[in-house]
Formats: sequence, structure tokens, C-alpha cells
Amino acid sequence: DVKVTQSSRYLVKRTGEKVFLECVQDMDHENMFWYRQDPGLGLRLIYFSYDVKMKEKGDIPEGYSVSREKKERFSLILESASTNQTSMYLCASSLLTSGQTYEQYFGPGTRLTVT
Amino acid sequence: AQSVTQLDSHVSVSEGTPVLLRCNYSSSYSPSLFWYVQHPNKGLQLLLKYTSAATLVKGINGFEAEFKKSETSFHLTKPSAHMSDAAEYFCVVSDYNNNDMRFGAGTRLTVKP
Repeated sequence: DVKVTQSSRYLVKRTGEKVFLECVQDMDHENMFWYRQDPGLGLRLIYFSYDVKMKEKGDIPEGYSVSREKKERFSLILESASTNQTSMYLCASSLLTSGQTYEQYFGPGTRLTVT
Repeated sequence: AQSVTQLDSHVSVSEGTPVLLRCNYSSSYSPSLFWYVQHPNKGLQLLLKYTSAATLVKGINGFEAEFKKSETSFHLTKPSAHMSDAAEYFCVVSDYNNNDMRFGAGTRLTVKP
């Protein structure tokens, strides 16, 4: 079974703090993704990575950065947390697209509250 | 660019009755289509996927979906709802051979005893 784990289930941070969210997958997937989930908006892509040290902006990258130093690990960084970044953050991984789009496997999510 | 619309934000059914969750998509190319389920405080789990093979796709837990190109629809159905089906369901579309997946806003399914 594919397993995607996220470092924290719940996190409370103060405005202006630097926040790190970690994601690890154990299936040697090339692709990894970070989404945020807000009620009524579904999932919105923040960043994705298709290889080590490679990254691509998604729909809402402002205020976020990412790091992928190892294939199995993909980190999301909030440089200076703001209250509008209070949300559920979901990490996912998948095989590299090749003739078809492969399904993504999701972690349990991190519910971040910024006060 | 591809997009997806889930036509109902909330569906309520009685246990043992059929479930219908509606999804329309827009795609410039041959799409891949997915349904995911999210139970409270859990991550998303794949229910089923369509990737240009059979138009009727069977998934886990008795769910199935039919790809109808003429109607640009991919509705999710189940003949008989169970209490454990109560969750949020997401329809997802991706253009052929594309990493970019687009999620619908979600449909919350409530199952009454």
C-alpha cells in the first residue's frame, strides 16, 4: 500500500512565524503535490514537484515555498504565516505522467491555524 | 484548461436508497476522470478512475460511474446507501497526459437511518 505521511495533524502558529509542513511518501513516486483545502472551494494546488530539486507553481503559490531535497520528501514552507493561511493542507504523490494521468495518493492532512 | 463542476453541494439520502452525485467536466483533450472520497478528518481516498477504457467504471465499496462524452458528465452512483458512505466526495478531471488535476468543490453526502 502507498503511504503518504504528514508531520503534524494539527498545528497552531502565530502570525509572522515561519512554518514548515513535511510530507514523506514510501512508494518511490516521482510527483509530489501540496494542496490547501477550504470549505466550498475544493482542493487548490499550491506547488508540485516532478523530481528532486524541481518545482512548479500551482494556482495559489503566493506566500508559500517548497523544498524537495530527496525523492521521498516534499516540504511546504510558509515564510511568514498570516491568518488567511489558516486551512487544511494536503500532500499527495503519484507516478510520473506517461501516456496517462495516474491517480494521486493523499496524506491525512495538516490542519493549520494561524492566530 | 480543464475544469469540473459538481452540481450539488449537499445530497441527503436514506440508508438503503440509491445515491447519485453529479459531476460535469470541461476538457480540451481526452480527459482522465476520478472520484475521491474524504471521511471526516481523513485524507482523500480514490474511489474509481476513468482513463479512456470502459465507459462504465466500477470502484470500491459498490460505487460506479459512467463516462458520457456527449453530456460531458461523470456521475457517481451506488444502488444502496450505507451509513458508512456519509462523507465528502470530490470529482476530479485531468487532461490527457497531464500532471494537473482539477478538483470540484465537493459534495457532502448525508445518509439518514
